[in-house]
This record gives sequence, C-alpha cells and structure tokens, in this order.
Amino acid sequence: EPEVTQTPSHQVTQMGQEVILRCVPISNHLYFYWYRQILGQKVEFLVSFYNNEISEKSEIFDDQFSVERPDGSNFTLKIRSTKLEDSAMYFCASRGRRLLDTQYFGPGTRLTVL
Amino acid sequence: GENVEQHPSTLSVQEGDSAVIKCTYSDSASNYFPWYKQELGKRPQLIIDIRSNVGEKKDQRIAVTLNKTAKHFSLHITETQPEDSAVYFCAASDSQAGTALIFGKGTTLSVSS
Repeated sequence: EPEVTQTPSHQVTQMGQEVILRCVPISNHLYFYWYRQILGQKVEFLVSFYNNEISEKSEIFDDQFSVERPDGSNFTLKIRSTKLEDSAMYFCASRGRRLLDTQYFGPGTRLTVL
Repeated sequence: GENVEQHPSTLSVQEGDSAVIKCTYSDSASNYFPWYKQELGKRPQLIIDIRSNVGEKKDQRIAVTLNKTAKHFSLHITETQPEDSAVYFCAASDSQAGTALIFGKGTTLSVSS
C-alpha cells in the first residue's frame, strides 16, 4: 500500500536557523497538508496546498513558514528563522481528488530547536 | 472557526470491556468526522470515519455515531484488547471551507489484561 514518506525523521537545529522539511505524498494524490504536534498535545493544522498554491492556512502559519512543491513528487515546509517554540513533530498528509477522501499521514519529522 | 472538544482525556479499561470516547464540534458546516489512532512515536492512522449523511458506521469492533443536531460524535470500541492501547484523536472538517482537519486533544486509552 502506498504511503506518505518524510525526511528527515529527526532534525536538530539552532534557534534562528532555517530548516526545510521534506515530504513525498502518495503519487496520485492532489491535496497536501502540513500539521504539527507539540509533544503531548493535539495535532494542529498548519496549511493545505492544491494546484500549486496554498488553499488554506491557520494562524500558526505566519510569515516564517512557507511551502513549496518544487517538482512532481516533493512537498516541502520551510521555516525561515526557527524559534524554540517551533520544536514539535511535523506531519505531512495527502489525499486524493475527492473532497472527503481520507487524509493519509506521513511518519513525521521531529524538529528540535536548541 | 471550528473547535473540537474531546472527552475523556484518559480512559483505562479491562481487556474485553467496551470503551467510549466522545467529541463535540462547534461549526455546523462540518460534515466529515474521522477518528485517528496514534501509537507512541508513530503517525496518526485513520481507523474509521463518518460523513454527515449517516448516523452510524461500524467496522468490526469499532463503531462511530454522529448526532448532527447536537453536534457530537462518539467512538465505540467493543471487546477491547491490549493492542487497542493508544491515543485516539477525533477530528472534524468542513468541505466547503476547505478540508483542514481540526483535531480534538486526544484520549489516551489503556487496556489492561
């Protein structure tokens, strides 16, 4: 069964540094998402992406964040200047073309900002 | 925007007992309600979902009920097993505004043998 993949599994960075988290969605999916989960807390929506543009974003997704689909397979989340409070597990998800299709989550990237 | 409340935050049951987790949502436009199971350090995995045109859905030992009037939905697990131990998240989505999933805070289910 196809799965969403993410790299790296764990990223450690210094405060103020830029990080790029990478995701490979399921190949025939059209809608892509980033969520984050601070340790012990709920999963929070960051942004959704369709047809090469952001379709929805949350209050968390401020100017420090950006997303890109640089080629036909990768979907990236960039944090320009990381803060301590950005430390979390970041999940990528994708879904098919139908509006209420299931969202499938990747294994996550644990970001630690020191 | 949508707000999802989930109760209880922790639930401990004996193997073989039933477990019920309840969620309420605020946005009457929400029409898709999935439940995800997350084991420690793993990704959330969909276990069952329900759409607003049905009131109940069942898959083996798992069932979900939806009351659109009251804006609440529940997960029922029967004949619980130790491998059901995990964190369970409910979520809601409004397909008109977009398909972002808004999650509840999660329920840690512990099944002891």
